[in-house]
Amino acid sequence: TQLLEQSPQFLSIQEGENLTVYCNSSSVFSSLQWYRQEPGEGPVLLVTVVTGGEVKKLKRLTFQFGDARKDSSLHITAAQPGDTGLYLCAATTSGTYKYIFGTGTRLKVLA
Amino acid sequence: GAGVSQTPSNKVTEKGKYVELRCDPISGHTALYWYRQSLGQGPEFLIYFQGTGAADDSGLPNDRFFAVRPEGSVSTLKIQRTERGDSAVYLCASSLGPAGNYEQYFGPGTRLTVT
Repeated sequence: TQLLEQSPQFLSIQEGENLTVYCNSSSVFSSLQWYRQEPGEGPVLLVTVVTGGEVKKLKRLTFQFGDARKDSSLHITAAQPGDTGLYLCAATTSGTYKYIFGTGTRLKVLA
Repeated sequence: GAGVSQTPSNKVTEKGKYVELRCDPISGHTALYWYRQSLGQGPEFLIYFQGTGAADDSGLPNDRFFAVRPEGSVSTLKIQRTERGDSAVYLCASSLGPAGNYEQYFGPGTRLTVT
């Protein structure tokens, strides 16, 4: 069974702090995505990475795909209360068309 | 344009009953996914449709779960003889094509509670 483990599970920080969330697996993935989900809503896509070592930036968010395409990180600079939510990684493997989701990181940014 | 819609938003049913959950995807999206999300967890894949056919149903937990998409648009997830362990949020997502190549758009989910 393919598993995507995220760490930390929970994170509570003050506004303005930096943080990094990790997504790890023993499997090699053809693509990996990061989502943010708010209560009562479905996940919303933030970014897709497909190439080993790839780095993408979205305003204060920086996403990296590991060289071996088995892991990824999400770094948030100067977190804001609006960043609060559940962050999920999801991946696909070659030859399949289903997404495997990670266990999630619940982030709370305090004003 | 309208996003993915799911009905009902909440469903409470008694153990042993039959339920149907509906998903209206974004118009023109050929791929449709169903997921189940338990409290505090990430979504768990159930089934993937490409057009009218189920291309991958490997995530359906047992034969009480069944899904259809007869005209390649609206999909219905059907659960027979519901059990308390079926309680979760059921999410639907649609995309222009299969996973990895196209962005999937999620609906708000149906919260199912089995009492």
